Amino acid sequence: QVNLLQSGAALVKPGASVKLSCKASGYTFTDYYIHWVKQSHGKSLEWIGYINPNSGYTNYNEKFKSKATLTVDKSTNTAYMELSRLTSEDSATYYCTRRDFWGPGTMVTVSS
Amino acid sequence: EIVLTQSPTTTAASPGEKVTITCLASSSVSNMYWYQQKSGASPKLLIYSTSSLASGVPDRFSGSGSGTSYSLTINTMEAEDAATYYCQQWSSNPLTFGSGTKLEIK
Repeated sequence: QVNLLQSGAALVKPGASVKLSCKASGYTFTDYYIHWVKQSHGKSLEWIGYINPNSGYTNYNEKFKSKATLTVDKSTNTAYMELSRLTSEDSATYYCTRRDFWGPGTMVTVSS
Repeated sequence: EIVLTQSPTTTAASPGEKVTITCLASSSVSNMYWYQQKSGASPKLLIYSTSSLASGVPDRFSGSGSGTSYSLTINTMEAEDAATYYCQQWSSNPLTFGSGTKLEIK
């Protein structure tokens, strides 16, 4: 069965970076784009972008172009999202998703 | 960017009642996805390509629409349907979500 296993919660200091992971199993990793979605507490969902695991091609929401970097490691069926120059506005739960299946989310808290 | 406006923002229904949630797009889209999110959980796909039921989703859920107007219907409300529902489009970049409809049980 399809499973997207995300890394655990992260507490990071303002100005730092964090790299989140999303390990896929139960399907051919290169057959589906991986999207990343942000959900601030109690708020709606925001699309960050997607990566094509086969080619490495990425497409970002303009709003997140200078904030997020998407990569994949095909050898381990894992997608990554690095968030840089973190501020309190980046505190949120981040999901990886194929659009039909979603990971459980990673909560990122930015605090000194 | 295509803005998706959902209505109502919040609603409540009694068991057995019919519920309809509307999603209006600021420009025409070719299809719509619908998700259900329960408290503390990740979103779950209910409807894809406007009206196709995702695997394992009860057939009391249905979707319809075209152009700029789409809807999700729950034919007979059940207690387990209490959740927040989101529409989503990817007819053009960026992919966007509606602001959500919170559905409560009466």
